[in-house]
Amino acid sequence: DTAVSQTPKYLVTQMGNDKSIKCEQNLGHDTMYWYKQDSKKFLKIMFSYNNKELIINETVPNRFSPKSPDKAHLNLHINSLELGDSAVYFCASSQVRGAGELFFGEGSRLTVL
Amino acid sequence: GDSVTQMEGPVTLSEEAFLTINCTYTATGYPSLFWYVQYPGEGLQLLLKATKADDKGSNKGFEATYRKETTSFHLEKGSVQVSDSAVYFCVPSPEGYQKVTFGTGTKLQVIP
Repeated sequence: DTAVSQTPKYLVTQMGNDKSIKCEQNLGHDTMYWYKQDSKKFLKIMFSYNNKELIINETVPNRFSPKSPDKAHLNLHINSLELGDSAVYFCASSQVRGAGELFFGEGSRLTVL
Repeated sequence: GDSVTQMEGPVTLSEEAFLTINCTYTATGYPSLFWYVQYPGEGLQLLLKATKADDKGSNKGFEATYRKETTSFHLEKGSVQVSDSAVYFCVPSPEGYQKVTFGTGTKLQVIP
């Protein structure tokens, strides 16, 4: 069983569209994260939830909205997609709030045309 | 918040060469220190960690020692393989609640 799974793995869409990426973890962790990795491999945190509560909200455009229906799921919805949103988005989870080992999903590569 | 300075890549080595990837960090308190590895097309995975000063983390032939006096956590391997080609991230994990800081990592290319 995959510990942290994301869908879809690849997403190609037009500018202006709205899209969602889903993430699920079966590790029993309380904390989940979304990271964005650009073409230079720079990895930056976007959001973090602890037990469905938003605890980290970096400087991210309002077009990005995370949703955590329960502590095992953290979805990312993006409105009005722009070219600069093209990146690989990683979901991760950890047992310890804000710290400790992170377990990553395989990533979702978003390409905006 | 905590931050890290890693040597810029790409680092290109021949197979069986000795590897060092330098990492120094700034942190308040005494963070745990991690090295993550990202193989091509995959997510990041933990390579090794150290939780206190003078601890040595090791895995898959890689080692790193937590040096509090120099605030460093350099990654070493005695003999690299082509399969070690990946991006390596040095990450201080803070005490308590703070965000975990990544960066660009260091890309390693091992050629046969």
